[in-house]
Amino acid sequence: GENVEQHPSTLSVQEGDSAVIKCTYSDSASNYFPWYKQELGKRPQLIIDIRSNVGEKKDQRIAVTLNKTAKHFSLHITETQPEDSAVYFCAASNSGSARQLTFGSGTQLTVLP
Amino acid sequence: DVKVTQSSRYLVKRTGEKVFLECVQDMDHENMFWYRQDPGLGLRLIYFSYDVKMKEKGDIPEGYSVSREKKERFSLILESASTSQTSMYLCASSPQGRGETQYFGPGTRLLVL
Repeated sequence: GENVEQHPSTLSVQEGDSAVIKCTYSDSASNYFPWYKQELGKRPQLIIDIRSNVGEKKDQRIAVTLNKTAKHFSLHITETQPEDSAVYFCAASNSGSARQLTFGSGTQLTVLP
Repeated sequence: DVKVTQSSRYLVKRTGEKVFLECVQDMDHENMFWYRQDPGLGLRLIYFSYDVKMKEKGDIPEGYSVSREKKERFSLILESASTSQTSMYLCASSPQGRGETQYFGPGTRLLVL
């Protein structure tokens, strides 16, 4: 089955700096890659996603890039703010069953004021 | 607005008890999922269902079963709770289709004594 590895597990940045979180996946047939943000005590919520026919996608301060050849994708947050502090999870669709997602282990992002 | 609710936010049970966790979604989604979330391990899929009375095992089904008698409701059952099942349990739902967004419930934090 699919295996998703996520790095780093913790990341601290100064407010205003950029943050990058990287994930690799194993199943070359995976074609959907969402990113979820989970604030403390709250449910995970989708912040951005990308499909395999696209190399990059942006939404304001958030961007995701996908390298299908290398089987890795990354989340980029620019001009970080304290409210960006949360756990971020990447995920990849599982080609074995059309609706499954395999999640990475998560990255605790802390934005220091 | 998609709404996924779970029957309890916190639950304390004793070893050997049968435990029922319920999840309800109000968006007529075909797919429903149960995950457990543990620090450093991300979200691991226990079971999922793509239709009423249909279920498929995820990555960690041992010690769990599920029931989906109605489209909007998906129950997770711990047949005989063990301390190793102390965890946060998250339910999610998504519309039919490959790689569609999953919407999460608020989670149930289960403590097995």
